[in-house]
Amino acid sequence: QSVLTQPPSVSEAPRQRVTISCSGSSSNIENNAVNWYQQLPKKAPKLLIYYDDLLPSGVSDRFSGSKSGTSASLAISGLQSEDEADYYCAAWDDRLNGPVFGGGTKLTVL
Amino acid sequence: QITLKESGPTLVKPTQTLTLTCTFSGFSLSTSGVSVGWIRQPPGNALEWLALIYWDDDKRYSPSLKSRLTITKDTSKNQVVLTMTNMDPMDTATYYCAHRRFGFGGSYFDYWGQGTLVTVSS
Repeated sequence: QSVLTQPPSVSEAPRQRVTISCSGSSSNIENNAVNWYQQLPKKAPKLLIYYDDLLPSGVSDRFSGSKSGTSASLAISGLQSEDEADYYCAAWDDRLNGPVFGGGTKLTVL
Repeated sequence: QITLKESGPTLVKPTQTLTLTCTFSGFSLSTSGVSVGWIRQPPGNALEWLALIYWDDDKRYSPSLKSRLTITKDTSKNQVVLTMTNMDPMDTATYYCAHRRFGFGGSYFDYWGQGTLVTVSS
């Protein structure tokens, strides 16, 4: 059971927009930065969003992050087949004194 | 360019101790603000953080696994070692090491190794 809660799966058609939610608590998301990772099949995770809404160099601006209170969201616009992957949210947890991850969301591009 | 690579046994028996080594390049673990962590992922399951070691040798462990984990660093060799005792089939997973960056807004894993699959079976 992951500390952060994500929907197991989402799906949307190509060129559409999809959002993935991540729910936490005051010990993690509300008071600490949220990061998002993309994990392509059989690959290591890749940093997608850091500090709630910042994109690392080289990441497409089709990806965006937001946060409000104890929840965060990842939005992907202009969906492409190459976006099919697992997406994980993460944040530092003050109570556990370490980083925590969500359970992951599998994105299917129909 | 930062790179990390995990190495260690691919198969361990139940009750044995697992020792994994993360060999990295492109940064120094003696630089203020730098840390390296271990994360694992059982087949078909989510990521789980295990341990962190900081430039100043401070260490953090997942509370649920703390009694079984030890993380150490060898700055001269650019290596971080994780040991996990009393291995169980439930510990079968891909183990990743990752560089953790600390900045004004917090910290995050920005570079990951390719991962190494460890199977626990007799």
